[in-house]
Order: sequence, then C-alpha cells, then structure tokens
Amino acid sequence: QQQVKQSPQSLIVQKGGISIINCAYENTAFDYFPWYQQFPGKGPALLIAIRPDVSEKKEGRFTISFNKSAKQFSLHIMDSQPGDSATYFCAATRDDKIIFGKGTRLHILP
Amino acid sequence: DAGVTQSPTHLIKTRGQHVTLRCSPISGHKSVSWYQQVLGQGPQFIFQYYEKEERGRGNFPDRFSARQFPNYSSELNVNALLLGDSALYLCASSRQIRAGAPTAYEQYFGPGTRLTVT
Repeated sequence: QQQVKQSPQSLIVQKGGISIINCAYENTAFDYFPWYQQFPGKGPALLIAIRPDVSEKKEGRFTISFNKSAKQFSLHIMDSQPGDSATYFCAATRDDKIIFGKGTRLHILP
Repeated sequence: DAGVTQSPTHLIKTRGQHVTLRCSPISGHKSVSWYQQVLGQGPQFIFQYYEKEERGRGNFPDRFSARQFPNYSSELNVNALLLGDSALYLCASSRQIRAGAPTAYEQYFGPGTRLTVT
C-alpha cells in the first residue's frame, strides 16, 4: 500500500521553465508535508515544507500548493536552472515519521 | 553547526556477515531515525529513537536492530546480511518546529552509508 503517490517519475524542463511535481496522499492523519532534494551520492536535503492548514508556501523559486480536500500537493520550481537537476521526493509525516514518495528525476536542459 | 554525520561512507560485506553503521545527530537534536534507500526508490523508515528509547519501527525483519546512546548518537546493526540489504542507509535527526496537537518535526539527513553485500 503506497501512502504517498508521486508523479511524474521523470521530468525534463528547459532552462527558465517551470517544473511541476505532483503528489497525493491517503492518510488524513499526516501532519506535515516536506519536499526533499537529493543529488547522486548524497542524502536528501530538506527543501521546503508545508502544514496542512496552509494552502500555499513560497520560498524563493520554490512553491508548494496544498489542497487538503483533494489530499493533493505539488511543488513548483520557477525559472528552473541546470543546478536544479536532481531527484525530488515529496513526503508526509506523522509523529516525526516520514513516508516518502517514489521520487521524480528532474533534468533541466541548459 | 555540523550536520548529521554518518560512518563509514562505504562498506562492502559478504552474505551472512553482520554490519554496524553509526550516526551522530545535529547538536541539540535528541531524536534519530534510520532509513533504507534502495537504488531508484524513496527512503523507507526502519527505526526511530528518542532519548534512548525506541519510538517507532518500520516493516523490517528482526535482523535489523538499533540503539541510541546518552550523547544521542546511534548505531544500526544488521545481522545475517542478504544481497537484498544492499542499499544506502540514511540517518536523520529531528527538531520540533511546532508544539501542540499535533506536534510537528523536521528531519535532517546525513550523507548516508552505502552498503554493498556480495
């Protein structure tokens, strides 16, 4: 049973474009929704996160949109840069335990 | 401040052997969690410890065990290694970001230990 579903599996975006990654969750008891960025050979790095009582959070070029009624949330990367090329994981937490999506491999074309 | 540190960086073991992986949390963090990340997948929760007590266990066999020390560092032990145990083992430490109902935490990951079982 996959509690956090992430799509697409891979994504190619032109430099300067908008990258969009979508996630859906099942358990309404989740209390925090972080996104992690992972480069090859490195551990995941916390990128941005949102609480379920907030509909949008923006930090620089990164924005999370959250739809509690639909149990969906998404990451938007504005003005995507080649340095953003990495694997992105959406996640949901309850009691400090994280359930990760399967990841999206993002490639930004120069 | 230093982030989460893990040792060793890489490890090669033979089937049937055991392995011990180590983790030091961010200073001031009292909670440590362990995750297994198989190539091409998201991390899977193995254990969580807080103040030396186990606070959660994922769906892993009893060959996996862990403990936390008084200085909040932690060890993950895996016995009777199988080829399928080959993975990146990640340690994360947590900080509370919101008190109340529910309490929310943020986890910060170390670089991981790459375990290869041959």
